[in-house]
Amino acid sequence: GAVVSQHPSRVICKSGTSVKIECRSLDFQATTMFWYRQFPKQSLMLMATSNEGSKATYEQGVEKDKFLINHASLTLSTLTVTSAHPEDSSFYICSARDGAEGANYGYTFGSGTRLTVV
Amino acid sequence: AQKVTQAQTEISVVEKEDVTLDCVYETRDTTYYLFWYKQPPSGELVFLIRRNSFDEQNEISGRYSWNFQKSTSSFNFTITASQVVDSAVYFCALRGPAGGFKTIFGAGTRLFVKA
Repeated sequence: GAVVSQHPSRVICKSGTSVKIECRSLDFQATTMFWYRQFPKQSLMLMATSNEGSKATYEQGVEKDKFLINHASLTLSTLTVTSAHPEDSSFYICSARDGAEGANYGYTFGSGTRLTVV
Repeated sequence: AQKVTQAQTEISVVEKEDVTLDCVYETRDTTYYLFWYKQPPSGELVFLIRRNSFDEQNEISGRYSWNFQKSTSSFNFTITASQVVDSAVYFCALRGPAGGFKTIFGAGTRLFVKA
């Protein structure tokens, strides 16, 4: 089945630094990927939709200059948390669509990245 | 608007008990998909089931079963003879054109299964 690889699984960084999270579709091409954030004991909240070769679409309230998304190829999307602060500490998880829009396609999730900003 | 409601925040059961996790959804779409995911303490999301809105057949997979009732906009999940390994957070989710095909998650139900 479709596999999405997400790295790193855990990262601790100092306040003010930037962190890049990668999401790769291993055995399929993903024209669209989604990035979610999950605070402790809360649900997954969609941050942005990443489309290959174009700018990401951010959900309301998500700072696009802080959360930079790049989807340069059909198998890789990256989320960079710039100038991270402790309040950015969260669980970030990506998801990729493995089929055509509207069809009976599946969405495969990465294993998530736990970011801790100290 | 699309919305998924999981009214049960936490459920605690003793091993071997049956437990049902409720999910109620709202959508104006006629074609949509419903999902259940399991999130164990390690954090990854484990896909459990996807249900097309046109398929109201209930499904059973081992100890898991799902009851899709379009008339009440519910998609409940039952674990039979629960086990400690079932302890996790379970999310119900919805996807459809009205939401731009974005997956909308419920708040999740944390299930504790005690030995």
